[in-house]
Amino acid sequence: GIQVEQSPPDLILQEGANSTLRCNFSDSVNNLQWFHQNPWGQLINLFYIPSGTKQNGRLSATTVATERYSLLYISSSQTTDSGVYFCAVDRDDKIIFGKGTRLHILP
Amino acid sequence: NAGVTQTPKFQVLKTGQSMTLQCAQDMNHEYMSWYRQDPGMGLRLIHYSVGAGITDQGEVPNGYNVSRSTTEDFPLRLLSAAPSQTSVYFCASTYQPQHFGDGTRLSIL
Repeated sequence: GIQVEQSPPDLILQEGANSTLRCNFSDSVNNLQWFHQNPWGQLINLFYIPSGTKQNGRLSATTVATERYSLLYISSSQTTDSGVYFCAVDRDDKIIFGKGTRLHILP
Repeated sequence: NAGVTQTPKFQVLKTGQSMTLQCAQDMNHEYMSWYRQDPGMGLRLIHYSVGAGITDQGEVPNGYNVSRSTTEDFPLRLLSAAPSQTSVYFCASTYQPQHFGDGTRLSIL
């Protein structure tokens, strides 16, 4: 089946720093999503981005489907950005998740 | 509009017991799915359904059964619980984008 790899696995940053999270996938996909799991365990959809670039406030995402990767950018990090970030790809009606990047923002 | 509702939120079972995790959505979504989340493993797809009467296996289906008799409900059944099924279970609906329930934390002793 399709493989989804996220990097880095862990990231510790000072408040105000910028970060880039990467998601690589092993085969062509229909769609790609980014999620944030907050410290309470809730999964929040950030972006639905099969290709191109989208921005939402301090967050933006870019997917280059032909090269099988997606990037999530977080600018001016805040402590509320802490948690785990997942990418998930959709192929043949199956949505497969990567193992996530755990982000910890220090005040 | 409740979105995706999972019950119960917490459950402790003994090995060999059976139980059903409930999932309901009120958004009239055709696609629903179940995941389990274990430390360091991300979310792994157990079963999914593209509509009432249609279900299929995901990455880790063994030990779990599902059915989809209505659009709204997609229950997950553990017929004989095993300690390896201790996990947090998430139900989700649709996929463009996905909406998740708040999860069920299940412990098997």
